[in-house]
Parts: sequence; C-alpha cells; structure tokens
Amino acid sequence: DGGITQSPKYLFRKEGQNVTLSCEQNLNHDAMYWYRQDPGQGLRLIYYSQIVNDFQKGDIAEGYSVSREKKESFPLTVTSAQKNPTAFYLCASSISGSRSYNEQFFGPGTRLTVL
Amino acid sequence: QQPVQSPQAVILREGEDAVINCSSSKALYSVHWYRQKHGEAPVFLMILLKGGEQKGHDKISASFNEKKQQSSLYLTASQLSYSGTYFCGTEIGNNFNKFYFGSGTKLNVKP
Repeated sequence: DGGITQSPKYLFRKEGQNVTLSCEQNLNHDAMYWYRQDPGQGLRLIYYSQIVNDFQKGDIAEGYSVSREKKESFPLTVTSAQKNPTAFYLCASSISGSRSYNEQFFGPGTRLTVL
Repeated sequence: QQPVQSPQAVILREGEDAVINCSSSKALYSVHWYRQKHGEAPVFLMILLKGGEQKGHDKISASFNEKKQQSSLYLTASQLSYSGTYFCGTEIGNNFNKFYFGSGTKLNVKP
C-alpha cells in the first residue's frame, strides 16, 4: 500500500537536545512538506521541498533544519534553537510542488514533547 | 496572512446542513479544503482554483469567490462521519511557499 509514514509517533526531548523526525513516502511524489500544528490551531508550514536536493523555508523555519537526499525521505531536525518545540508535526507530500492543483497527502504525525 | 475561518465550531444533528467560510485579506490563487479527525492526519476534500476549476469530493461542494477572496464549504445532509475539524488552505499568488492554513472549524454531528 502506498502512503506516508512518520516515526516515531510520540517523542520526548530534553531541553537543549536536537531530535530528528522521520518522514518516508512510497507514492513517488516529487514534493514533500513539514507542518507544525499547535493545540486548537491550524497547520503552519516549516519547510517544503519540490525536488530532491532542494528545499525552501516556510513561514516558521527558525530552529528547524531539513534534508532531501532521496525522493522518498524528508527528515526534519528540531534543534535546540527552537524555543517552543512541543507540538504535533505533520509531514505531507504531493505529486508536484510546482502546481497548486495537487492535493497533499499527510502522514499520521509525530507528537513531540519537551520535558 | 493566515485565512480566517468561520464559524469556529458547529454542532449539527444528522441530516442538517452546514456552511463553513474561509476568507483572506490577500488575493488568492487557490483554496484547498481538508478534514482532520481527532489525533489523525488531515484528509483532502476539495481544491478550487482561480478561474473556476475544481477538483474534489463527490458529496461535498464548495465555492470560490475570487473578487471577495472567500471560499465556502457546503456540507449537506450531514452524516456522523462528517464530524471533525475542517481546514481551508490558501495560496497567495501562484507561489506555493505562500500557502497558509486557517485555524479550523470544528464540526460535531450528533445522532
């Protein structure tokens, strides 16, 4: 079955630590995205990638980093510079990032809590 | 930059209708609609493009008024399965990195 997987489902981090959230897709999609969702809020774009080896900052990229070395994978690192990282993180993909006519498919999410 | 959704929450009985609105202060190129059930990932419902093109769900309809920079999602004869939080996502200009989601409308359909 094609889809997007995210791991882990729950992640606990101590202050000052970097953590990496995994996102893998087998849909053969070119574009991938990372969103952050806070309780009762909408989704805010952190980073997106339209093609392998290329990615762009979204609205709230500070304190986060990404890589896109393979088409299937788009890991997100939450660094210690992110002041308030506790949130629900969603990864998504779409066939192409260059056209807005393509719906996004979302993974199940990772819930990150800073202790 | 974030679109404004209204209402924030709706409670319906099965079979009743609902309208969810999404408006922006900026000119829109497209509007996406998604539904998210508690603790789950958002699921695609509709895309409406400037110029009238649409793509999406058979049983849910939506409109896009480009001049007013607004979109509305119409849920008719609601079913229990319609419960969840509905998000609109708007693209400002033909440039995906200016893509913003609204804060959501929580819909609760009761028997």
